[in-house]
Amino acid sequence: SQQGEEDPQALSIQEGENATMNCSYKTSINNLQWYRQNSGRGLVHLILIRSNEREKHSGRLRVTLDTSKKSSSLLITASRAADTASYFCATASYGNNRLAFGKGNQVVVIP
Amino acid sequence: AAGVIQSPRHLIKEKRETATLKCYPIPRHDTVYWYQQGPGQDPQFLISFYEKMQSDKGSIPDRFSAQQFSDYHSELNMSSLELGDSALYFCASSLEGYSYEQYFGPGTRLTVT
Repeated sequence: SQQGEEDPQALSIQEGENATMNCSYKTSINNLQWYRQNSGRGLVHLILIRSNEREKHSGRLRVTLDTSKKSSSLLITASRAADTASYFCATASYGNNRLAFGKGNQVVVIP
Repeated sequence: AAGVIQSPRHLIKEKRETATLKCYPIPRHDTVYWYQQGPGQDPQFLISFYEKMQSDKGSIPDRFSAQQFSDYHSELNMSSLELGDSALYFCASSLEGYSYEQYFGPGTRLTVT
């Protein structure tokens, strides 16, 4: 992992529960993005938070960013079976837009 | 809405062969990125192009080359394939200066035997 690093956890939750996963990174960033990947398929962009933002919402997703701690969290509320996937955070630094991905968090939502 | 298109979706090659992967970005997107994701690994940045010029280079082997054409599609050429090149190869596109979001294609699964 180059930059963003999630806490190495695999979550198994019941449908309707909330799922929280964390991500830490090492250097200064311009923005942090969360992606979802279903079983070796494509990466779906979920949400982007800029370095001057602290919290952002999109539907059932809530992302926080703490630049002093170099960490971010993704909260999925009222989870659904379709939320079963791996979730990656990725950071982009100033000066270039390449994404540095962390290790994915596997989330299993049990119907 | 149109998405990023990648072809082929699956490719099987033997060691030392050559492979060409194609990427068609979202219309009006001017930046293309290539990433490699090995089995059980996180995606790793390879290379990017902005307005047909290479804009950034990551951990791309010398055996690989890429370019972006006048219609903004991009091709990743991989020569002297090795077993370790087996991976998912993603292309992503974005609109430089408008948004930082990168939108990924479905990927090309390359298997080298």
